[in-house]
Amino acid sequence: SQELEQSPQSLIVQEGKNLTINCTSSKTLYGLYWYKQKYGEGLIFLMMLQKGGEEKSHEKITAKLDEKKQQSSLHITASQPSHAGIYLCGADSGGSNYKLTFGKGTLLTVNP
Amino acid sequence: SQTIHQWPATLVQPVGSPLSLECTVEGTSNPNLYWYRQAAGRGLQLLFYSVGIGQISSEVPQNLSASRPQDRQFILSSKKLLLSDSGFYLCAWSAAPGGQFFGPGTRLTVL
Repeated sequence: SQELEQSPQSLIVQEGKNLTINCTSSKTLYGLYWYKQKYGEGLIFLMMLQKGGEEKSHEKITAKLDEKKQQSSLHITASQPSHAGIYLCGADSGGSNYKLTFGKGTLLTVNP
Repeated sequence: SQTIHQWPATLVQPVGSPLSLECTVEGTSNPNLYWYRQAAGRGLQLLFYSVGIGQISSEVPQNLSASRPQDRQFILSSKKLLLSDSGFYLCAWSAAPGGQFFGPGTRLTVL
């Protein structure tokens, strides 16, 4: 079965600093999804990556998928307190049931 | 646009009592539906998924069951709750390989 490892497990940064979260798969990724979650709430979809070398950006968040499709990174530029939360990566199993396997998440704290 | 609802938002139940959590989706037809449990605010464990009415696949053996009586309704149940059933339960839907979209979740505490 596919496993996703996220690093770091937690991260504390000063407002305005850049940061990167990594997600590594034990198998080739069919699709890689990034979500953000605030405590006690549902997951908010951020971005989907499917092609090797693909990069997507939304506001100050950029996600990349490596050429081998086994590693993804999420980069936040000039972090703000609103970026705080848990970031999870999910991997598509490639089947028609669209099941996802998730990493354990990265807890981001942004200090003002 | 599509929306997904879950209720109740929070629930406190005694050990041995029954459980019924409901999830409904609006704005899409024949979605795939999923139930997850999240412990300690981290990684999600897939419990059940459904690709159509009456079709339920269980991912892990447990004290829970799921049903899909209507196209856009997914129910998570238990006849007798255990302490270990406590957690944050999330419902999600998908209609294509473009990701899953999650409901607001239900916080279940079993005492």
